[in-house]
Amino acid sequence: GAVVSQHPSWVICKSGTSVKIECRSLDFQATTMFWYRQFPKQSLMLMATSNEGSKATYEQGVEKDKFLINHASLTLSTLTVTSAHPEDSSFYICSARGGVNSPLHFGNGTRLTVT
Amino acid sequence: SQQGEEDPQALSIQEGENATMNCSYKTSINNLQWYRQNSGRGLVHLILIRSNEREKHSGRLRVTLDTSKKSSSLLITASRAADTASYFCATDNTDKLIFGTGTRLQVFP
Repeated sequence: GAVVSQHPSWVICKSGTSVKIECRSLDFQATTMFWYRQFPKQSLMLMATSNEGSKATYEQGVEKDKFLINHASLTLSTLTVTSAHPEDSSFYICSARGGVNSPLHFGNGTRLTVT
Repeated sequence: SQQGEEDPQALSIQEGENATMNCSYKTSINNLQWYRQNSGRGLVHLILIRSNEREKHSGRLRVTLDTSKKSSSLLITASRAADTASYFCATDNTDKLIFGTGTRLQVFP
């Protein structure tokens, strides 16, 4: 089945630094990738939708200058958390799909801890 | 918020029993999907039901969809301890997937 690889699986960083998370579709071309954020025991909240070769569409309340998304190819999207603060600590999950009416395939998530 | 509501929030049952989770949503949809998440992991797609379908089966899973009530249900029959996880519905209106609040299922052996 379709595989989405997300890296790193966990990262600990100091406040004020930036962290980049990669999301790759390994065996299919992902025209659209989605980035979600999940707090403990809560649901996934959509942060942004990225389409290859165009600017990401951010959900209301998500700071686009803080969460930089780049979808440079059909198999790679990156999320950079800039100037991270402790309140950015969360579980970030990417997902990808090849086309409309296709299910999403999820990465295993990245647990970010900002100290 | 566009997020759907799921109930119950948590469900504890014994192995062999059936588990039913319900999902209600607010907007029109292209399809509705159910996902499973083990603690601290990514999500696994379980089943997709299109807006013109009313019921779908996959193994021990049965999903219903009532677009007039904007609701869906997931039934897991003959549950197993390995079914312990969080289950989320997600509504797809073509351009994005919005998740419900989730149901935490615990199946005791």
